[in-house]
Amino acid sequence: GENVEQHPSTLSVQEGDSAVIKCTYSDSASNYFPWYKQELGKRPQLIIDIRSNVGEKKDQRIAVTLNKTAKHFSLHITETQPEDSAVYFCAGDSNYQLIWGAGTKLIIKP
Amino acid sequence: NAGVTQTPKFRILKIGQSMTLQCTQDMNHNYMYWYRQDPGMGLKLIYYSVGAGITDKGEVPNGYNVSRSTTEDFPLRLELAAPSQTSVYFCASSEGRPTYNEQFFGPGTRLTVL
Repeated sequence: GENVEQHPSTLSVQEGDSAVIKCTYSDSASNYFPWYKQELGKRPQLIIDIRSNVGEKKDQRIAVTLNKTAKHFSLHITETQPEDSAVYFCAGDSNYQLIWGAGTKLIIKP
Repeated sequence: NAGVTQTPKFRILKIGQSMTLQCTQDMNHNYMYWYRQDPGMGLKLIYYSVGAGITDKGEVPNGYNVSRSTTEDFPLRLELAAPSQTSVYFCASSEGRPTYNEQFFGPGTRLTVL
């Protein structure tokens, strides 16, 4: 079955700098890779997703890249702001389910 | 629309007790899910349902049961609670298959088993 690994577990960046979170997956049949953001004490919410027929997708300050050959995908956040502080989860699809990474706690330093 | 709602928000159980976590969605979604989230871990799928009357096991179903008698409701039953079931439980729903559709989460239930 699918295994999704996420790195790093904690990422601390200066406000205004960029942040990159990486995930690798094992199931070569996976085609859908969403990213969810979970603020402290809140529910996870989808921020961006990518499908296997696309290599990159952008939405304002966030972007996701996918390398199907290497089986990894990454979340890029530019010009980080205090409200970007949260835990970010990646996921990959397998057998009609989502398999989730362990999460990355992003800390934005003022 | 209220989206996905869960009750209770918090609960403390003694070992061996039972309880039902309630989940309701008003988006007419066919797919519903129960996850557990342990500290520092990702979401683990407990059970899911693709429509009323149809449920199936996820990664970690042991110690739990579900039912889906209506499109709106998807309760999760814990029988004989154990400390290992201490976790935050999230219910979620999606319009279609999770492999191509956004999942909408409820606010979560924080359960402690002592």
